[in-house]
Amino acid sequence: GAGVSQSPSNKVTEKGKDVELRCDPISGHTALYWYRQSLGQGLEFLIYFQGNSAPDKSGLPSDRFSAERTGGSVSTLTIQRTQQEDSAVYLCASSYVETQYFGPGTRLLVL
Amino acid sequence: AQSVAQPEDQVNVAEGNPLTVKCTYSVSGNPYLFWYVQYPNRGLQFLLKYITGDNLVKGSYGFEAEFNKSQTSFHLKKPSALVSDSALYFCAVRGYTDKLIFGTGTRLQVFP
Repeated sequence: GAGVSQSPSNKVTEKGKDVELRCDPISGHTALYWYRQSLGQGLEFLIYFQGNSAPDKSGLPSDRFSAERTGGSVSTLTIQRTQQEDSAVYLCASSYVETQYFGPGTRLLVL
Repeated sequence: AQSVAQPEDQVNVAEGNPLTVKCTYSVSGNPYLFWYVQYPNRGLQFLLKYITGDNLVKGSYGFEAEFNKSQTSFHLKKPSALVSDSALYFCAVRGYTDKLIFGTGTRLQVFP
């Protein structure tokens, strides 16, 4: 069946611009997660959704980062006023029980 | 605090030889442990997990992992390495609210 999909696959933006990253989870998966992978920080958790609510936002690095999920399905991660340190691969995962399945990621480069 | 350690940045092994990628964890309560593999410019691919039951867990592509509670370890193993196994391997433990806490990753290089 279809896996987790993310778009765009690559995004280049200028410092100070806003960006939106999209995640389409596996159908029927109630939980959705965002992670960030960068050279300096490794793989770090950003935010967790159960249905449309976000019980754990503890990993969002600043108030420039926000995310929402609608219809218990698609999620959007928004980064406002991007900074060069936001450059990373943003990974989305979804799960029904214990195992999280990851999408291919969005590679963000902030110039 | 829950954490995972992967003590080796890189593991080199000859094709056909057995391989081990090490992982130790720190968690309160019973751990849920996972191994993922990442090929270049790809997302993370699930290999196997330990939740409960047998300490030896079998997963995809001939990989297995041994859960050792006394040593708080969950090492990834394969009896005979393939060149195509060369990739970045991540160990993870499930934290509070089900988020995954990852180790720093180990690059496996299998030489022909």
